[in-house]
Amino acid sequence: EADIYQTPRYLVIGTGKKITLECSQTMGHDKMYWYQQDPGMELHLIHYSYGVNSTEKGDLSSESTVSRIRTEHFPLTLESARPSHTSQYLCASSETRSGANVLTFGAGSRLTVL
Amino acid sequence: SQQGEEDPQALSIQEGENATMNCSYKTSINNLQWYRQNSGRGLVHLILIRSNEREKHSGRLRVTLDTSKKSSSLLITASRAADTASYFCATDAGGSEKLVFGKGTKLTVNP
Repeated sequence: EADIYQTPRYLVIGTGKKITLECSQTMGHDKMYWYQQDPGMELHLIHYSYGVNSTEKGDLSSESTVSRIRTEHFPLTLESARPSHTSQYLCASSETRSGANVLTFGAGSRLTVL
Repeated sequence: SQQGEEDPQALSIQEGENATMNCSYKTSINNLQWYRQNSGRGLVHLILIRSNEREKHSGRLRVTLDTSKKSSSLLITASRAADTASYFCATDAGGSEKLVFGKGTKLTVNP
């Protein structure tokens, strides 16, 4: 079944640790995105990719980095986590439907940095 | 500044009632989408309306778009407790491939 998977779902780590949030999709979508969302708040685009070896920063500045070596895989890395990075991170991929970009989201990774 | 703004921020109704949520945006768009998010989960696409459409239906959902007022509304008819979720509008500001989401309306449907 075509889907988009995020791991881990929940992560609690200490300040200064390096973390990688994984995102994989089985739909063959070229476009992938990372959004950051605080509880009860709007989504902010932090990274996006339109294909292999293509990555761009989003509208919200983020200290995280991403890579896109394979179409299906779009991991996000924080080299040194801080409490200000505590948030939910949502990965999405998109297809063009009726001329519009329609997003399919993963279930999210909730990160808590102590 | 945020492209889309939903109104109200929170809405509480009884099962069987209709729920109406509004979205306003600032720049021209090619299309507007509505998504739903259950607590602690990712978003799910509900419905898309193009800028040359005024109204669209999908099951119990009805979406309207008024490009002159830069606003859209989402109506959920005969609501159910399972409709409890946050609802977000998303726009492709200026035809961008990057969707910009509003702050969302938190809907609670009481059984």
